[in-house]
Amino acid sequence: DIQMTQSPSSLSASLGGKVTITCKASQDINKYIAWYQHKPGKGPRLLIHYTSTLQPGIPSRFSGSGSGRDYSFSISNLEPEDIATYYCLQYDNLYTFGGGTKLEIK
Amino acid sequence: EVQLVESGGDLVKPGGSLKLSCAASGFTFSSYGMSWVRQTPDKRLEWVATISSGGSYTYYPDSVKGRFTISRDNAKNTLYLQMSSLKSEDTAMYYCARRGGNSRGYFDYWGQGTTLTVSS
Repeated sequence: DIQMTQSPSSLSASLGGKVTITCKASQDINKYIAWYQHKPGKGPRLLIHYTSTLQPGIPSRFSGSGSGRDYSFSISNLEPEDIATYYCLQYDNLYTFGGGTKLEIK
Repeated sequence: EVQLVESGGDLVKPGGSLKLSCAASGFTFSSYGMSWVRQTPDKRLEWVATISSGGSYTYYPDSVKGRFTISRDNAKNTLYLQMSSLKSEDTAMYYCARRGGNSRGYFDYWGQGTTLTVSS
């Protein structure tokens, strides 16, 4: 089974700032990684798939990159509505989620 | 607009059974693979089951294999999850999710979830 190590588990940033979350896979996942935003009381929302492809309607403030085992996800120009927990998902071989990153605004 | 609405969550005793449902609308249900994903009380997300668009193929992680069965009724646009031999560690919010993408699919739309609590 593929393991996904996501870090940090939580972070705090200022409005207008930038944050970066990383996920490291236990083996090469061939860029098959997606990123989700999850708010309480709702289902997770797909932001990015195949490492860097934005879902329609997702602002370009969200971005992703990486290859092999190492991937990152960034949010720039932080807005209040970005407060959420973010998860990575590998879908190269079945499915494994990262442990999540809780984002707070300072 | 894609909509997925789960139902059937409940409080169940260990060893018991339960069937969850997910009503789909806003897309051609029979053209998409579907999955169940759960979020445990410690906020971890765990994939639970996937079924192909026609229902012929199903996939499970070892943690639920042999206890959970995913199925679908394309005439009713409904996805199901039959759960048996339930354990306390099955306590979670259960989401149904549509499988997007091609040969390797990710979850592109999710419902709002239904809660299962396994406790005596």
